[in-house]
Amino acid sequence: DAGVIQSPRHEVTEMGQEVTLRCKPISGHDYLFWYRQTMMRGLELLIYFNNNVPIDDSGMPEDRFSAKMPNASFSTLKIQPSEPRDSAVYFCASSWGHTLQPQHFGDGTRLSIL
Amino acid sequence: GENVEQHPSTLSVQEGDSAVIKCTYSDSASNYFPWYKQELGKRPQLIIDIRSNVGEKKDQRIAVTLNKTAKHFSLHITETQPEDSAVYFCAASTPPTGANNLFFGTGTRLTVIP
Repeated sequence: DAGVIQSPRHEVTEMGQEVTLRCKPISGHDYLFWYRQTMMRGLELLIYFNNNVPIDDSGMPEDRFSAKMPNASFSTLKIQPSEPRDSAVYFCASSWGHTLQPQHFGDGTRLSIL
Repeated sequence: GENVEQHPSTLSVQEGDSAVIKCTYSDSASNYFPWYKQELGKRPQLIIDIRSNVGEKKDQRIAVTLNKTAKHFSLHITETQPEDSAVYFCAASTPPTGANNLFFGTGTRLTVIP
């Protein structure tokens, strides 16, 4: 299996621009998680989906952030408009949730907002 | 919700010595405890996990112990090698959502000195 695939790996853009991060979970996994990692705040859970349905978005910082999962093999995290404080590494992870199973992380997207 | 505390935040050991990282959790219902290793610029990778019906689990030089009464679990690395240098995260998962929603500790930066 190719693992969780994220794109792009790096993104540099100017403040105010729209940013879209993409994730393809491991085939067969029914849970998908979006995390943000910074030195100051560590790993933060932003939102997670089960069978393509958002279950908990309480970690989404504000309305500028939105996430979708139109099908079992694709999810997006969108920031509009972006701000410098959004600069971080964004990880997507997936898991099989029927029993206690680990989350598998993608390689992340390193986002820099200038 | 669950609160996971991790200590120490940094740890330096001589090559060949043992390293121990400790975590405590708050929710007695937590039943799944994975450990992740994150090398610089890379994704968190699962190295070992333990479920609440088990007190100890070992995989070569890595072992994890769980004390449900005291609500703490620990990672033990023996015969440390320079390639063990990384940030290690503990996590806990709490039912009944079945979501494998993980609550992460703040990480321990382990440095193995050759």
